[in-house]
Amino acid sequence: QQPVQSPQAVILREGEDAVINCSSSKALYSVHWYRQKHGEAPVFLMILLKGGEQKGHEKISASFNEKKQQSSLYLTASQLSYSGTYFCGAYSGNTPLVFGKGTRLSVIA
Amino acid sequence: EAGVAQSPRYKIIEKRQSVAFWCNPISGHATLYWYQQILGQGPKLLIQFQNNGVVDDSQLPKDRFSAERLKGVDSTLKIQPAKLEDSAVYLCASSAQENYGYTFGSGTRLTVV
Repeated sequence: QQPVQSPQAVILREGEDAVINCSSSKALYSVHWYRQKHGEAPVFLMILLKGGEQKGHEKISASFNEKKQQSSLYLTASQLSYSGTYFCGAYSGNTPLVFGKGTRLSVIA
Repeated sequence: EAGVAQSPRYKIIEKRQSVAFWCNPISGHATLYWYQQILGQGPKLLIQFQNNGVVDDSQLPKDRFSAERLKGVDSTLKIQPAKLEDSAVYLCASSAQENYGYTFGSGTRLTVV
């Protein structure tokens, strides 16, 4: 089943922060995060394995709560280059990665 | 390292025609995926290969779609005959192992008219 992402879209000014959430109805082994710019392929950001770990990638970090089957992506001090659609991918261990519908992030000057 | 190569980048065909897409994954990546991405939606898995064997093709419309990965390296995805609803971007991705980060190719944008 497809994970649910929220919000569907968000507009930020440069320097503002944002949180994108991803929740699954199935038990998760890991969560992947990808960013896709318009007309381009999705680009891998990070993977979080069960164990509640938190990872960082520049000013973008994420957490994974396996008990709640949720993951959150944190974007701090956003830059224009952060604009794009962010997808979470849910991996349950016995089926391939299932992507959410995406969250469109627009950062304006 | 070289990325995932896909061709063609764009294809326009009439409904009921056939079309084929090609993908060459990152060297050494055992796992290869074909995803369909309809405008405004997330990628949807069509088929997963591990080396030259099929791991999951449960969402592949087998009456019209077929895929192969000969010799466990490059792969082709074919649609025959195409329908209007097949208009989408077809993404190929590879990973070193299942549940490793995926590297996507640039995709093939298919328009069926």
